Amino acid sequence: AQRVTQPEKLLSVFKGAPVELKCNYSYSGSPELFWYVQYSRQRLQLLLRHISRESIKGFTADLNKGETSFHLKKPFAQEEDSAMYYCALGLSYSGAGSYQLTFGKGTKLSVIP
Amino acid sequence: NAGVMQNPRHLVRRRGQEARLRCSPMKGHSHVYWYRQLPEEGLKFMVYLQKENIIDESGMPKERFSAEFPKEGPSILRIQQVVRGDSAAYFCASSLGGGMNTEAFFGQGTRLTVV
Repeated sequence: AQRVTQPEKLLSVFKGAPVELKCNYSYSGSPELFWYVQYSRQRLQLLLRHISRESIKGFTADLNKGETSFHLKKPFAQEEDSAMYYCALGLSYSGAGSYQLTFGKGTKLSVIP
Repeated sequence: NAGVMQNPRHLVRRRGQEARLRCSPMKGHSHVYWYRQLPEEGLKFMVYLQKENIIDESGMPKERFSAEFPKEGPSILRIQQVVRGDSAAYFCASSLGGGMNTEAFFGQGTRLTVV
């Protein structure tokens, strides 16, 4: 069965320091991976997806199939980056016409001024 | 576009009562997903619906839980005879289409507390 692991429940960094939020997945097929972010009192929103290979708000994430990882990185943390971050794996079940996201437990990022 | 709207935001029920959670998708979206988040856990898929059809309910508990997405009106997640273990945050998401090429937009969730 597919699984997403975010080993850190809480990550605290100083403003201006690099950030790396870890995500590992287990899935035998070709995964589609996402990072979602939830700022305080706001709804969950998509931050980035691996197929886009884009940088959003200075964040990037590279899919490493050999290590089955999709770590989220930012070179210089800002206070406004403080939020909950969820890694998710998207799976299509073409036979059933279904699509599901499997989420990790999330990492709370706290950027210290 | 107000985004995905869920109501109520908070719901308190006594054991044995029924809970009804509503989700209005974004305008033009015909695909709705329900997820449940237990304390200290990630979001877990429950059910995927399109208008008037349940596409995938593989994540729904076999008893007491049901979902619908009628032709008119919001999607409803219904929990009968609630128990303490049903206390969780329930999130709804909607998308324009299905599958991996369309983004799912989430509502703010309904926090259900069973006392």
